[in-house]
Amino acid sequence: DAGVIQSPRHEVTEMGQEVTLRCKPISGHNSLFWYRQTMMRGLELLIYFNNNVPIDDSGMPEDRFSAKMPNASFSTLKIQPSEPRDSAVYFCASSFGLFGGQETQYFGPGTRLLVL
Amino acid sequence: AQSVAQPEDQVNVAEGNPLTVKCTYSVSGNPYLFWYVQYPNRGLQFLLKYITGDNLVKGSYGFEAEFNKSQTSFHLKKPSALVSDSALYFCAAGYALNFGKGTSLLVTP
Repeated sequence: DAGVIQSPRHEVTEMGQEVTLRCKPISGHNSLFWYRQTMMRGLELLIYFNNNVPIDDSGMPEDRFSAKMPNASFSTLKIQPSEPRDSAVYFCASSFGLFGGQETQYFGPGTRLLVL
Repeated sequence: AQSVAQPEDQVNVAEGNPLTVKCTYSVSGNPYLFWYVQYPNRGLQFLLKYITGDNLVKGSYGFEAEFNKSQTSFHLKKPSALVSDSALYFCAAGYALNFGKGTSLLVTP
């Protein structure tokens, strides 16, 4: 049974370039979450979706970041233009339930982004 | 709002000894508390959660956690540590998980 799939696993880009991270949640899950992990700030929630609808994007750092979920099996996180301070590991997670807080989130392996 | 705090950046324990990784919480309403583990260069793996019911929650790999309402704590425990338990442990609360800073557990042979 496939878990959460993220691509690419590693991304190196130059400042100013557009970066797109991709996530395929576990089949049947109805909530999807994007997190960012850095040494300085730890794990931060960026945005989450329920039934493909963005619920809370207050964690998105600035307008350079955008996320979409066009269908139940795919989501993207885009950074445009990228900056060195965006270097981090980006995790996608998914869960299933009534969105009441009891659901377990299952994490993907992460995308390690380095912006030069 | 739900938030957690992990007061220890690192915990060191000898193999075979019991281990405890501490977590305190601050929530309004019913607390939903989780423990995750992260091995180097890997994603987070779910260990256990408290939603309601018994205060002692049993999880994966022999871990358990005790929910203590009076002390607002949710400490992770294991009776006998293994070297392979060495990893980063995160406590979290809420449906859009608010994570603690993480505690690095080092188990020495």
